[in-house]
Amino acid sequence: EPEVTQTPSHQVTQMGQEVILRCVPISNHLYFYWYRQILGQKVEFLVSFYNNEISEKSEIFDDQFSVERPDGSNFTLKIRSTKLEDSAMYFCASIPGRLGHYGYTFGSGTRLTVV
Amino acid sequence: DAKTTQPPSMDCAEGRAANLPCNHSTISGNEYVYWYRQIHSQGPQYIIHGLKNNETNEMASLIITEDRKSSTLILPHATLRDTAVYYCIVPQGGSEKLVFGKGTKLTVNP
Repeated sequence: EPEVTQTPSHQVTQMGQEVILRCVPISNHLYFYWYRQILGQKVEFLVSFYNNEISEKSEIFDDQFSVERPDGSNFTLKIRSTKLEDSAMYFCASIPGRLGHYGYTFGSGTRLTVV
Repeated sequence: DAKTTQPPSMDCAEGRAANLPCNHSTISGNEYVYWYRQIHSQGPQYIIHGLKNNETNEMASLIITEDRKSSTLILPHATLRDTAVYYCIVPQGGSEKLVFGKGTKLTVNP
């Protein structure tokens, strides 16, 4: 069964450093997403991406965050200057077409620890 | 998103059917009902979704009431590996995002 692949599985970074989380969505999928889950809390939407641009973003997704699909296969989330409160599991997801006809496939996540 | 209400926790005996309810009384006519689950801290896993008709796949069945104000996810023969948090989500029409609530923590007991 096709999978969404995320790397690394765990990243430790110092506060103020830039971090890039990487995702390889399923190859024929067209919509891509990032979600995060702070330990013990709900899964939260960050951003959706379609046709090489952001289609929707949450209040969490401020100027410190950016997404990119640099080469047609990878989908990255960059946090420019990490804060302690950015520590969370970050999940990438993809879907073949518009929501309503399909369910998301989520990756297994990257655990980001900011120290 | 149409607000959903789920019980915080449920227990089920291994091998029995698990019936997980969800209320979504403010759902609009074109909004789907989605079910996902999350096992420990893994990525959420899609289970099933539907609009009006009941749906069945290899994982579960989804029963939606005629007025669409509630639904039930049925795991026909629960196993220990089905222990997870189950989320009922109704994405707002036109939105691409899922809004996760607290879900129902299902514990399958041997």
